Amino acid sequence: QKEVEQDPGPLSVPEGAIVSLNCTYSNSAFQYFMWYRQYSRKGPELLMYTYSSGNKEDGRFTAQVDKSSKYISLFIRDSQPSDSATYLCAMSGDTGGFKTIFGAGTRLFVKA
Amino acid sequence: EAQVTQNPRYLITVTGKKLTVTCSQNMNHEYMSWYRQDPGLGLRQIYYSMNVEVTDKGDVPEGYKVSRKEKRNFPLILESPSPNQTSLYFCASSLALASSYEQYFGPGTRLTVT
Repeated sequence: QKEVEQDPGPLSVPEGAIVSLNCTYSNSAFQYFMWYRQYSRKGPELLMYTYSSGNKEDGRFTAQVDKSSKYISLFIRDSQPSDSATYLCAMSGDTGGFKTIFGAGTRLFVKA
Repeated sequence: EAQVTQNPRYLITVTGKKLTVTCSQNMNHEYMSWYRQDPGLGLRQIYYSMNVEVTDKGDVPEGYKVSRKEKRNFPLILESPSPNQTSLYFCASSLALASSYEQYFGPGTRLTVT
């Protein structure tokens, strides 16, 4: 079993839809939870991160962490064609070397 | 502009021919890392460096070497490439190990070994 599981998609939605992207994990030591966005032929870029549990909002993006269920989500409101990309979840602990584990990524297509 | 650069961006080579992929960052970051990205497997860490002259293995280090002689540079060396090293490679950096939740990635190097 992988430490971080992420549905690869692809996920196709119409413009303006609310998108929900999710990851599950098995290591309870994870404390940092990140979402990276990767456009085609580009390197990943950090979208947002959360420390421990709770929600974090940044414009149209909201990250949620439920440590009791070992489940994290990224919500995109009013999705735009420019949101079409691969979204990678990632996690790390704050002990034991801060090693970052990435999910496989979910490909998102937002149709105009 | 703050950035991580990699060269070359694309490389096709033959089995056994030594190659080096360069990585440089201009943000004075202490922590640097190399990843490979394969379909369905996500990003897997090859090697990382916490500072000059300090490097350590990641999850998939076999067949790779690194060095960190200067803070800004972190080259990846494949001394005898094999076809199973065909992949997309990314270099990344962060301010320090403790802030590796915020990594800056280079544009990637697509390597094909025939």
